[in-house]
Amino acid sequence: AQSVTQPDIHITVSEGASLELRCNYSYGATPYLFWYVQSPGQGLQLLLKYFSGDTLVQGIKGFEAEFKRSQSSFNLRKPSVHWSDAAEYFCAVRSGGGADGLTFGKGTHLIIQP
Amino acid sequence: NAGVTQTPKFQVLKTGQSMTLQCAQDMNHNSMYWYRQDPGMGLRLIYYSASEGTTDKGEVPNGYNVSRLNKREFSLRLESAAPSQTSVYFCASKYGTHAGPDTQYFGPGTRLTVL
Repeated sequence: AQSVTQPDIHITVSEGASLELRCNYSYGATPYLFWYVQSPGQGLQLLLKYFSGDTLVQGIKGFEAEFKRSQSSFNLRKPSVHWSDAAEYFCAVRSGGGADGLTFGKGTHLIIQP
Repeated sequence: NAGVTQTPKFQVLKTGQSMTLQCAQDMNHNSMYWYRQDPGMGLRLIYYSASEGTTDKGEVPNGYNVSRLNKREFSLRLESAAPSQTSVYFCASKYGTHAGPDTQYFGPGTRLTVL
């Protein structure tokens, strides 16, 4: 069955520093992969997605992610974080077994230090 | 264009009570979804509807029923609420009708507490 692992529950980064959030997936076929961000008390907003083509994907708010099939990873990066990036980040893969929907990781809580 | 809207925003129920969570989208999307979010668990799919008139179970359907009232609206019903159903419920929609790469758009959520 498909699954998504986000190894880091919490990450603390200084403002202006670079960021990398890790995501590993398990999926039998070609995965469709997504990164969503959730600000406190809000719904989820799509940052970027990968489904084919160039393995380096650019998203909104200066984020990018790289799909590495050999490592089953889809890590999210940002060269310089801003205090407004503090939020919960979710990696997701399309659900398998003929079902629609997304399978989400448990999330990474990003804290920005001044 | 409001996107995906959910009502109510907050609800407190007693064990055994019933209620319906409402979801509507104005983006002419075909597929709609209900997820629940629990602390440390991410989001889990409860039910989805690939088109008007069809519904299918997701990962955690027990204790819930859904109705795709029309293309715009997709409701989630708890017939006899249990404390284990305390959660934040999110509705989402997307244009495609199959498990494709198109984006799911999420509503703001309903925070439900069952005492």
